[in-house]
Amino acid sequence: QVHLQESGPGLVKPSETLSLTCAVSGVSVTTGGSYWTWIRQSPGKGLEWIGYIYLNGKVDYNPPLQSRATISLDTSKNQFSLSLTSVTAADTAIYYCARDRGITKIDFWGQGSLVTVSS
Amino acid sequence: DIQMTQSPSSLSTSVGDRVTITCRASQSITTYLNWYQQKPGKAPQLLIFAASFLQSGVPSRFSGSGSGTDFTLTISDLQPEDFATYFCQQSHSTPLTFGQGTRLEVK
Repeated sequence: QVHLQESGPGLVKPSETLSLTCAVSGVSVTTGGSYWTWIRQSPGKGLEWIGYIYLNGKVDYNPPLQSRATISLDTSKNQFSLSLTSVTAADTAIYYCARDRGITKIDFWGQGSLVTVSS
Repeated sequence: DIQMTQSPSSLSTSVGDRVTITCRASQSITTYLNWYQQKPGKAPQLLIFAASFLQSGVPSRFSGSGSGTDFTLTISDLQPEDFATYFCQQSHSTPLTFGQGTRLEVK
């Protein structure tokens, strides 16, 4: 059974960097056709796709976040990570990691990690 | 970006009802349309992919249809566990985008 679990600080100060890791079990992050994805959800903006990374290192980001977001893959630990720099209160959200199968359907999600940006 | 618009935003309904939720894309996405169910405090769960294909393990009372720009999710014989929020999502092109959600409430 595929399982994804987010981890990271729940509170980040404005202008600092948000860092989250997603531990994957039940499938290798090097499995072909799996796009390792970050999505966030806030009351104001609903569900917002942040971006994905593929096993060959290819990444794709949502343009409004492209200058601040970095998604990386650690095949030795079977996990992937999100870094979001220069955060503001608008980045307060529940952050989900997920597996997008072939960029056709998001079939597995983590439980979500609430990140609050506040001093 | 492709904008996804769902209607209604909320719906008061009862167990046993047949429910239809619609989703409209701002441009043609052929059948690159998925539906998700989200319960409070939980992550979304995939129900329907490619507009009309039932994800494994999802009850057959859920069905999807449509192509191009207009899509529907139908729940026949609504069950108590179906009171939740439903989202559509286009997988035609990045950035992937979601509808704003439809919340099913108890009448």
